[in-house]
This record gives sequence, structure tokens and C-alpha cells, in this order.
Amino acid sequence: AQSVSQHNHHVILSEAASLELGCNYSYGGTVNLFWYVQYPGQHLQLLLKYFSGDPLVKGIKGFEAEFIKSKFSFNLRKPSVQWSDTAEYFCAVRKYSGGGADGLTFGKGTHLIIQP
Amino acid sequence: SQTIHQWPATLVQPVGSPLSLECTVEGTSNPNLYWYRQAAGRGLQLLFYSVGIGQISSEVPQNLSASRPQDRQFILSSKKLLLSDSGFYLCAWTSGSDTGELFFGEGSRLTVL
Repeated sequence: AQSVSQHNHHVILSEAASLELGCNYSYGGTVNLFWYVQYPGQHLQLLLKYFSGDPLVKGIKGFEAEFIKSKFSFNLRKPSVQWSDTAEYFCAVRKYSGGGADGLTFGKGTHLIIQP
Repeated sequence: SQTIHQWPATLVQPVGSPLSLECTVEGTSNPNLYWYRQAAGRGLQLLFYSVGIGQISSEVPQNLSASRPQDRQFILSSKKLLLSDSGFYLCAWTSGSDTGELFFGEGSRLTVL
């Protein structure tokens, strides 16, 4: 079965620091990749997604992620974090099977705390 | 625009009692529907998904069941709750296109005492 690994469960940074959250997946075929964010007290929302084409994708709020197929990775980055980026971040993978019926496989999440 | 609603938002139930969590989607037809459970430090675990009325796929053996009585309604149930059923339950939908992007509801927090 496919799996998704997020290497950092808890990350604490100061404002303006650079961020990189690691994500690796185990499936060898074609995949769609996602990063979701859950701000305190809010529902999960999509941060960015990769389907095909340029492996560097840009999302909302200055986030970006790079798909490196040879490394089975989809790391999330932001050059300068803000206090409002404090949240839980989830990486997710979908095997490309057409129709999208079988849902996404999620990593365990990374709890990011930004200190002012 | 499409919206997804879950209720109740919070629920405290005794062990052995029944459960019913409801989810409805508006503004779309024939969505794929999903129930996930989110536990601290364990990410999101897919419990059930449905591609149509009366069609339920179970991903993990559970003390839970799901039903889809209408096109845009997805219900998570249990006949007798266990302590281990406590958690945060999320309903989600996707259009069934190749995008695969899931849209989540606001979740239902279940505490079993």
C-alpha cells in the first residue's frame, strides 16, 4: 500500500525564517500531490497541488512545493514565514487511476509554530 | 458555488450508545464522498468512500459503518460506540474528475466517555 511520510512532526521557527517541510511517498506510478493546511479552529484547505507539467508549483500565501520524481518527494517551502502561518500542514498523494474515486493518502502532518 | 456541511460539530456520547454523523454537499451532483478520521499525530485516515447512492467502500475495519441514502448525503454510523471511536471526523467530496482535489467539511468532534 502506498504511504506518505512527513519527516518533521513539530517545527518551531521565528518570523522571517525560511521554511521547508519534507514529504516523501512510496508509490512508483503516476501520482497527484497535494499540500493541505489546517489553521487553528478552521477546516482543512488546499495550499497547493501538482498534477503535471512544471514540477515547481506555487500556492496561496507565498508557499511553493517542488516535485522531484527521482526522490519521490514533494517538499513544501516558504522563503519567509509569518506568525499567521502557524498551523498543521498535511502532505497527500493520489495514485493516478482516473476518476479520483479512491481518495487521498495523507501524511501524519507537521505542526508548525511561528514565534513572533 | 459548492458547499459541504457536517453536523453535529461536537458530540459527547457514552460507551455503547449509537452514533450518527451527517454530511451533505450542495451545489454539485454525483460527487464522490469520503469520511476521514483525524487523530493527533496520526494524520487523516480514510474510513469510507462512496461513488454513488448506496455504494460504499470501506478502507479500514471499524466499529463504524457508512451509508449514502441520497446523492449528496453521506452518513457515518455506529450501533455501539467504543472509547477508541473518539476523534475528529471529516467529511469530504470531490467532483470525480481527474483533479482528485478533496474539499473538506468543518469536522465533527466525537468524545466517547
